[in-house]
Amino acid sequence: GAVVSQHPSRVICKSGTSVKIECRSLDFQATTMFWYRQFPKKSLMLMATSNEGSKATYEQGVEKDKFLINHASLTLSTLTVTSAHPEDSSFYICSARDPWRDNSYNEQFFGPGTRLTVL
Amino acid sequence: GESVGLHLPTLSVQEGDNSIINCAYSNSASDYFIWYKQESGKGPQFIIDIRSNMDKRQGQRVTVLLNKTVKHLSLQIAATQPGDSAVYFCAEKGPYNFNKFYFGSGTKLNVKP
Repeated sequence: GAVVSQHPSRVICKSGTSVKIECRSLDFQATTMFWYRQFPKKSLMLMATSNEGSKATYEQGVEKDKFLINHASLTLSTLTVTSAHPEDSSFYICSARDPWRDNSYNEQFFGPGTRLTVL
Repeated sequence: GESVGLHLPTLSVQEGDNSIINCAYSNSASDYFIWYKQESGKGPQFIIDIRSNMDKRQGQRVTVLLNKTVKHLSLQIAATQPGDSAVYFCAEKGPYNFNKFYFGSGTKLNVKP
């Protein structure tokens, strides 16, 4: 149980295009999902908190118009990188909480990540 | 966000030895910590957690120690195996921040056969 998937796993796009990344909780409902960004050999940086049915909350320094987040249902959150540039190339990882698990004191389940390369 | 850092960026150990990975955190009000393991090209995998009202917690081959006085966290891996080779992160959650976690810089563990 508690499986989180991401799609696509890898994407290569041209500069100026927009890319959508999906995060799905496969066997539980997640009212809250989180999006992280990770540069090579670096740590995960929290970008935003995705809330089902409401606007996402962004961490300081993260452009909300650049990284659009939509949490359309209890099992799906999407991150759209708009007008992508080479500096947006990174590994994007989502996570989700299962608030109904007895032993899930704040535990998050991570997706496998999406490798974005902008040419 | 909180600042969480690690003392050692890389650690090489011999198979069978014990490993100790350290982490320093800056927010004394943080109330929950998790150690994650991340293999190349994959998302983080939960290893063990500890609440701030504890100073030690043991799992299978792993132990987490929390020293709130000096804001220090460590992960001990007993009888390290080649499959333990990965990057290890500590993550910190402060109180009242709606379950947001902030990650440390990571330590790469190399297990030599």
